Amino acid sequence: EVQLGESGGGLVQPGRSLRLSCAASGFAFDEYGLLWVRQAPGKGLEGVAVMSWNSGSAGYADYVKGRFIVSRDNAKRFLYLQLDSLRGDDTAVYFCAKDISQSSAYFYGTDVWGQGTTGIVSS
Amino acid sequence: DIQLTQSPSFLSASVGDRVTITCRASQGIRNYLAWYQQQPGKAPKLLIYAASSLQSGVPSRFGGSGSGTEFSLTISSLQPEDSATYYCQQLNDYPLTFGGGTKVEIK
Repeated sequence: EVQLGESGGGLVQPGRSLRLSCAASGFAFDEYGLLWVRQAPGKGLEGVAVMSWNSGSAGYADYVKGRFIVSRDNAKRFLYLQLDSLRGDDTAVYFCAKDISQSSAYFYGTDVWGQGTTGIVSS
Repeated sequence: DIQLTQSPSFLSASVGDRVTITCRASQGIRNYLAWYQQQPGKAPKLLIYAASSLQSGVPSRFGGSGSGTEFSLTISSLQPEDSATYYCQQLNDYPLTFGGGTKVEIK
């Protein structure tokens, strides 16, 4: 079964850091682009970061540029998101997700999602 | 960044109705658009990719169309289980962005 599972969320003070992890199973991890998407309480979906299948390119939403870093370890089958200089408006459920297209320069749609991990930024 | 504007933000319709949600991009995105359905408390579910390709396992009453800057999601015959929030997403350019969502209510 194709699965993604996030971990690493929690309660953190403003200005501090979190590192989210996403474990993958059931598919050829190193052949798919991956994304982090977040959803603040009662709000819509926001694309946070994306990494291509071969780590050749990464992209970030403007509101996280310079604060968040996405990375992947294909050998361990993990996707990561390092969140630094956290702010209250970063409070959200963070989902990792897999693109539908294999070994593609483009993303076409995310067909597998994790259950999400919650990060709460508060003093 | 590419902005996506969905309309309406809310719609209420009866079982069996045909409903259409539109998504307008602030610049051309070819056909790099996906549609998702999200039930409360759950992860989104992919319905349509590449603007008009039906994801495996999704009922055929869901359909997508459009290219460039104007896109639409149509549910040909609304069912009770279709009550959810629907989002479009552009995948043409980083950062990948979402529309604001359309909440669909069953009358």
